[in-house]
Amino acid sequence: QQQVKQSPQSLIVQKGGISIINCAYENTAFDYFPWYQQFPGKGPALLIAIRPDVSEKKEGRFTISFNKSAKQFSLHIMDSQPGDSATYFCAATYENSGNTPLVFGKGTRLSVIA
Amino acid sequence: DGGITQSPKYLFRKEGQNVTLSCEQNLNHDAMYWYRQDPGQGLRLIYYSQIVNDFQKGDIAEGYSVSREKKESFPLTVTSAQKNPTAFYLCASSTTGEPHHTEAFFGQGTRLTVV
Repeated sequence: QQQVKQSPQSLIVQKGGISIINCAYENTAFDYFPWYQQFPGKGPALLIAIRPDVSEKKEGRFTISFNKSAKQFSLHIMDSQPGDSATYFCAATYENSGNTPLVFGKGTRLSVIA
Repeated sequence: DGGITQSPKYLFRKEGQNVTLSCEQNLNHDAMYWYRQDPGQGLRLIYYSQIVNDFQKGDIAEGYSVSREKKESFPLTVTSAQKNPTAFYLCASSTTGEPHHTEAFFGQGTRLTVV
């Protein structure tokens, strides 16, 4: 079973600080790496995604950094806000193989405190 | 509005009962998925279907069954063989297009509790 390992399990950040969540994968055939955000009692929603042909992708305060040689990718949340408090999941799949299911990390529970 | 609808939101099951969770999508997506979420365990794949009348087991299929008779619907049955069914169940769907795009859209989940 291909795995995606995510850390930390939980994270507390001061308002305005930077939140960093890390993921590592094993299968070099993975070619699509999304991050999902989930609020309590809700389904996850796509936040941002990256493909291995780029090393960084930024959307607003959210940035994915991708290190293909190390098989690692991370999510950075700049200027973290209390509204960012949620559980974040990294994932990976073989996009070019069609509808292959996403493999998820175990999640990081982020709390942003004022 | 296009989206994925899961029902019911909360479900209680007695020991030994089978229960069916509903998942309907109007996104015209080919693929649908069922995940189980437990605290600290992330999202684990139960079953998935890439096309009507076909489905594959995921990592934790034991004690579950599915059907895919229509493109829009992918119901999940939790059978009495599932020994620890209390969890949050999430249904998702996805499509591929040009450029290849595998975004999965999730429903709002069903929380199943054994009483």
